[in-house]
Amino acid sequence: DVKVTQSSRYLVKRTGEKVFLECVQDMDHENMFWYRQDPGLGLRLIYFSYDVKMKEKGDIPEGYSVSREKKERFSLILESASTNQTSMYLCASSSSSTGGRDTIYFGEGSWLTVV
Amino acid sequence: SQQGEEDPQALSIQEGENATMNCSYKTSINNLQWYRQNSGRGLVHLILIRSNEREKHSGRLRVTLDTSKKSSSLLITASRAADTASYFCATGPKGSGNTGKLIFGQGTTLQVKP
Repeated sequence: DVKVTQSSRYLVKRTGEKVFLECVQDMDHENMFWYRQDPGLGLRLIYFSYDVKMKEKGDIPEGYSVSREKKERFSLILESASTNQTSMYLCASSSSSTGGRDTIYFGEGSWLTVV
Repeated sequence: SQQGEEDPQALSIQEGENATMNCSYKTSINNLQWYRQNSGRGLVHLILIRSNEREKHSGRLRVTLDTSKKSSSLLITASRAADTASYFCATGPKGSGNTGKLIFGQGTTLQVKP
């Protein structure tokens, strides 16, 4: 079975802290994504990566960075957490193959509260 | 930027009834997908319809796509309490290449009462 694992389900961090959200997929997918989900705003793409060490900004990259050193792992970094980054963060992955790229597989989400 | 807009935002029905959700989008697409999200969980892929298809079925799900109107609908027949969830449409814009990048709508929250 396809699996995308987000290391932390619930986190509480202080304003100004550096925060790492980790995501691992076991499907050998080329593409990985970080979304943020807020009530009334749906899912917004923060960053995506289509290969190791490759990354592209999504719609709301400000205040975030990412790291993809290995194919299976995609990390989201909040350099200096702020209260407006309190949200649910969803990691996802997909294949880049013609038949497989259309379906995105999501992790269970990480609820981040910044106080 | 958000492309898909679902309608209604919330829907409450009785078990056994059909539920219809609509999605509109703005740009040309390769495909349109529907995802389901149980409360507080990740999204799960339900069904995909390509831009050259007009209708697709999967179990109790029926999806239609009208590219001239840039709209899609998801019909869940004979709904069950377990169908209670949020449903999102997502579009794969033309030109997104092989990245699989999708644009999600804001979702419809469906409540099915037993």
